[in-house]
Amino acid sequence: QVQLQESGPRLVKPSETLSVTCTVSGDSISTKYWSWIRQPAGKGLEWIGRVHGSDNTIYNPSLKSRVTMSVDTSKNQFSLRLNSVTAADTAVYYCARGGGGSYYEYWGQGTLVTVSS
Amino acid sequence: EIVLTQSPGSLSLSPGERATLSCRASQSIAGSYLAWYQQKPGQAPRLLIYGASSRATGIPDRFSGSGSGTDFTFTISRLEPEDFAVYYCQQYGSTPPTFGQGTKVEIK
Repeated sequence: QVQLQESGPRLVKPSETLSVTCTVSGDSISTKYWSWIRQPAGKGLEWIGRVHGSDNTIYNPSLKSRVTMSVDTSKNQFSLRLNSVTAADTAVYYCARGGGGSYYEYWGQGTLVTVSS
Repeated sequence: EIVLTQSPGSLSLSPGERATLSCRASQSIAGSYLAWYQQKPGQAPRLLIYGASSRATGIPDRFSGSGSGTDFTFTISRLEPEDFAVYYCQQYGSTPPTFGQGTKVEIK
């Protein structure tokens, strides 16, 4: 079955870059869309953007200036980088299968990234 | 972007009762591209409904969805103990996809 697993540093300093990677098993990332979604503690869900296996990307306009997404088809992974982070970027970061025009049936378990000095 | 407003913010019910949740969009959602998710503490959201009314794989038929345009409804016909959770709606008819703020279904 399709499984997604996030990994990356759990603590990032303000003004630095947050990096999270999603490893996919049970599916090939090459031909599908993959999204990043985040959720601050006790709050709702925010779509960050999506990447296709061909490395085509679309970002949420609210974060576009700070976000970069990429794929590594050799490792069946895709990644998120968010620069110039502040405490407001502290959240659980989820990866999910699907693009901007999609519902999300498969999710990673989420990784909490805290921005703090 | 489309803003989704869920109501009520919380619902206090007993097992066996019916739960009715609302999701209203700031503009019409193309193709009724609306989904519903269940989220329990410490877990990722779980897809329940897509296309406003289609149940996802393995979802019991006590969960149902309806609506079109700007007004959508999610119903749990008879609450089971495992149904107490937070429920989110999500529109994917336009980019960026957006989520409602959630409705918490609590045990009375």
